[in-house]
This record gives sequence, structure tokens and C-alpha cells, in this order.
Amino acid sequence: DSGVTQTPKHLITATGQRVTLRCSPRSGDLSVYWYQQSLDQGLQFLIQYYNGEERAKGNILERFSAQQFPDLHSELNLSSLELGDSALYFCASSVQADRTEAFFGQGTRLTVV
Amino acid sequence: SQKIEQNSEALNIQEGKTATLTCNYTNYSPAYLQWYRQDPGRGPVFLLLIRENEKEKRKERLKVTFDTTLKQSLFHITASQPADSATYLCAFGGFWGYNKLIFGAGTRLAVHP
Repeated sequence: DSGVTQTPKHLITATGQRVTLRCSPRSGDLSVYWYQQSLDQGLQFLIQYYNGEERAKGNILERFSAQQFPDLHSELNLSSLELGDSALYFCASSVQADRTEAFFGQGTRLTVV
Repeated sequence: SQKIEQNSEALNIQEGKTATLTCNYTNYSPAYLQWYRQDPGRGPVFLLLIRENEKEKRKERLKVTFDTTLKQSLFHITASQPADSATYLCAFGGFWGYNKLIFGAGTRLAVHP
């Protein structure tokens, strides 16, 4: 158990809908990351937050947004969902903002039908 | 753009042998490399981190090398066991102030009894 909690574990929704994925980092970790993993793409970095502020952005679509709250949990919002958004979404956390290992949650499997 | 390559073919070895996985990178000089293990449907688990000024790092049966001249990292598992069967991901980072880990696609390792 990495100490990172993601909910829900599975999500099935229709195209055009909006969903919210939630992540609770390990106790004491200030940084949260979101990754997308689809079958043919591997792990793709989406966004990083550190102590409530956006720190780095990757290939995150404009339909996607995220935030980190004062209690350090984070949410990833996915809107206007398309079939191609079906993937595993992982959250990870680390103590500091850089040069450190990341601890991953078990992921949320999103299926868009 | 930065690119990280791992052997896409699965590696099959006999129990007790040493498994060696390769990670090559281009268009960047990372400050550190990390190796993760991922089991099907689960989040990656951190194994080892090696910095650019370190040639080798060990942890129990695991060993990582980092050759900045060849732009390559090798990951070794000695005395391999069937329980070591998984996908192994390398990732590099080293961006000041943020931990935008760029992952390779992973190499699937199968250890046969």
C-alpha cells in the first residue's frame, strides 16, 4: 500500500459527460501528480501541483482541469468526454517538488461508452 | 523533444538468472533516473533512483547503472524469481523545481520456473 488513495476505482460514463477523480496523497506529501495510462500510450504526465499551486503541466487537454486543495487532496476534472479518454488515471505524490521518488495510487479506470 | 526508450519486447528468463533491462534516452541530460515496477492493473511502485553523479546503485537483488556518456541506464535483477515477473518502467526527471517524470513504455519481464 503506497498510502495514496484514489477514488473511485472504476468509472463508466457516456460520451459528452463530465467526471471528477479524487486523490488523497500520502501523509506529509506536498506534491501531487496526475498521469494517464492508455494501452497504446504508456504513462503520460498530465499535471503537477505543489502545496496548492500548479507546478508543471504536461500533455493535458483543455477539457481536463485539476486543482489541489488546502488539505492537499487533489481532483482531476474531465469534461466533454470522448471514447479516447478511456484509460487508467493515476495520481502520485511526493514529499518535495523535485528530484524525488513518486508514490502512485492504484488508479481510476475510466471507461467512456 | 525528450525521448526515453525501453526494449518493447518481453524479456523471458529462467529462475535464478540475472535479468538485465535497458533504458536509453535522447535529447536530454537528466539529473536522475528512476525505475518502477508495475503489475497489471496496478499503480507503478518505486524501486530505485540514481543521480547523474552516481555510476551505480544497489538495493538487495537490484542494481542500476547510469552512463551519461552512452545516455543509458541498465537495471539488473540478480537471482530472479517468478515473483519478479512484471513490467519495469524507467523514468527520467531533473527539472529544477518540479518532478515532471517522463516514463518509458516499459519492458515486460517474465521469469520462468
